[in-house]
Amino acid sequence: DIQMTQSPSSLSASVGDRVTITCRASQGISNHLAWFQQKPGKAPKSLIYAASSLQSGVPSKFSGSGSGTDFTLTISSLQPEDFGTYFCQQYKSYPPTFGQGTKLEIK
Amino acid sequence: QVQVVQSGAEVQKPGASVKVSCKASGYSFITYYIHWVRQAPGQGLEWMGMFNPSGGNTVYAPKFQGRVTMTGDTSTSTVYMELSSLRSEDTAVYFCSRDLWDSSGCLGFWGQGTLVTVSS
Repeated sequence: DIQMTQSPSSLSASVGDRVTITCRASQGISNHLAWFQQKPGKAPKSLIYAASSLQSGVPSKFSGSGSGTDFTLTISSLQPEDFGTYFCQQYKSYPPTFGQGTKLEIK
Repeated sequence: QVQVVQSGAEVQKPGASVKVSCKASGYSFITYYIHWVRQAPGQGLEWMGMFNPSGGNTVYAPKFQGRVTMTGDTSTSTVYMELSSLRSEDTAVYFCSRDLWDSSGCLGFWGQGTLVTVSS
């Protein structure tokens, strides 16, 4: 199975900050990577697919980059509604696997 | 619009089985795989398996092989996930999710989740 490792596991940032979350795959996955946001008690919400393509309806302050084994999710101009846990998911090969999550708190 | 709606919360005893449903609407049911993912309290996401509504074939994660069964009903656009021999460690929220595009494995549209509690 492909292992996905996210960092940091948690972070605290202020409104207006720019934050970056990284995701590393244990082997190359090309651009077969998605990012999700999850709020407490809710289902994950799709943000980005194919490493850098923004899901319909997702604000452009979210952006993704990377290819191969190293990927980043960047949130520019952080707002209070951006709190939650962010997960990456690879879909290069079965089984699909997830990172362990990054919990984003707003200061 | 695409929607996947799951059945309600369940409480089951150890050793019992639970069957969760996932009803799809707003798209051609047979075109996209449905995946099941679970999340134990305070934990991350764990993929359990997938169901292909076109033909009914399945792929299960080795961890659940022998205990999980995924089926579908094209007449109602519903997929079912049954987990047997329940133990306390199976207490979790179970999500179904549709592929973003056909057979991609990229999870795009999620159900609201079904809490399964295993307790004596």
